[in-house]
Amino acid sequence: DTAVSQTPKYLVTQMGNDKSIKCEQNLGHDTMYWYKQDSKKFLKIMFSYNNKELIINETVPNRFSPKSPDKAHLNLHINSLELGDSAVYFCASSQEGAGGWSSYNEQFFGPGTRLTVL
Amino acid sequence: AQSVAQPEDQVNVAEGNPLTVKCTYSVSGNPYLFWYVQYPNRGLQFLLKYITGDNLVKGSYGFEAEFNKSQTSFHLKKPSALVSDSALYFCAVRGSYGNNRLAFGKGNQVVVIP
Repeated sequence: DTAVSQTPKYLVTQMGNDKSIKCEQNLGHDTMYWYKQDSKKFLKIMFSYNNKELIINETVPNRFSPKSPDKAHLNLHINSLELGDSAVYFCASSQEGAGGWSSYNEQFFGPGTRLTVL
Repeated sequence: AQSVAQPEDQVNVAEGNPLTVKCTYSVSGNPYLFWYVQYPNRGLQFLLKYITGDNLVKGSYGFEAEFNKSQTSFHLKKPSALVSDSALYFCAVRGSYGNNRLAFGKGNQVVVIP
């Protein structure tokens, strides 16, 4: 039983295209995240949703648009892909409580989506 | 804002020897500290955390970490390293108030030599 799943696992596309990555968690958590891991393995948070509400929106180009249709899903849509968007994108979830700030619970990560922009 | 420093890029250790991965942190309020491990082409896996109480916390796969408030450190340790422990290790911290999002260190590559 996969706790946090992402699709697709690999995504190869041309510059200028639009693509989406999907994430689902079956842990019953109320908070979900998108992280970007670059080629040097630095991990940077992009977005976080608590009970479908956006609570973290880091300095990310507005070509990136997250959407949370329900608490179990958080999708990431990327418009006009650029070479610099090539990275591994991780989805994660945790149980945080109201507001998304109150917890010290660990986050559970998906397997990652390796995006390559040509 | 909270931050984590993992000073070494790579830690090399012989199989069977003790393994230590260093982490220091900066945070507002009380720290909540975490260690995660990432195997090649995989997502991060939670190893252990410190919230409060005993400074020595034990986690998965025989790992433990010691919280030292005066040195603002949370070093990860394992008494006897295995080749299968070769992976990327991330320390992370969040504070008890304010902007308490989770901040990750840059990661340490651990190589256990047979």
